[in-house]
Amino acid sequence: DVKVTQSSRYLVKRTGEKVFLECVQDMDHENMFWYRQDPGLGLRLIYFSYDVKMKEKGDIPEGYSVSREKKERFSLILESASTNQTSMYLCASSLTGARKAFFGQGTRLTVV
Amino acid sequence: QKEVEQDPGPLSVPEGAIVSLNCTYSNSAFQYFMWYRQYSRKGPELLMYTYSSGNKEDGRFTAQVDKSSKYISLFIRDSQPSDSATYLCAMSATRSNNNDMRFGAGTRLTVKP
Repeated sequence: DVKVTQSSRYLVKRTGEKVFLECVQDMDHENMFWYRQDPGLGLRLIYFSYDVKMKEKGDIPEGYSVSREKKERFSLILESASTNQTSMYLCASSLTGARKAFFGQGTRLTVV
Repeated sequence: QKEVEQDPGPLSVPEGAIVSLNCTYSNSAFQYFMWYRQYSRKGPELLMYTYSSGNKEDGRFTAQVDKSSKYISLFIRDSQPSDSATYLCAMSATRSNNNDMRFGAGTRLTVKP
């Protein structure tokens, strides 16, 4: 069974903390994504990676960075968490040329 | 104006009803149209995928795309309580790595027994 696993289901962090969200996929997919999901706004792409050490900004990259040191792992970093980054974060992966994206179960992050 | 518009609902129907979910879009370059289903506290899962215009049927689900109107629909026949979920439309243009995929806000559906 193919899997995208996010390290935490729920996180509570304080304003100003550095936050790491980890994602691992076991499907050998080239492409990995980080989205945030907010009510009324749907999924918005934060960052995308198409290969190890390669990354591209999505629609809302401000306040975030990413790391992809291994093909199976894609990390999202909130350099200095703020309350407006309270959201559901979803990691996804896909094969190049395939339209199907596989999603993790999500991490609900609350910044207080 | 958002690239993809989707009525967030919520939509509540009795078991056995026909459900119609819709999205409109503004980017005429979109060619690939997807419907994802997201159960509560889970990530989205691909339900249906259509390329360009036309219909596609899979069991109780039918996806329709009308590119001339920039309008896509998902129909659910004989709806079941297990269909209760949020349905997200998604669409992309030409990039093979999906980084141009755009999502609607999602419609929350409840099917009552």
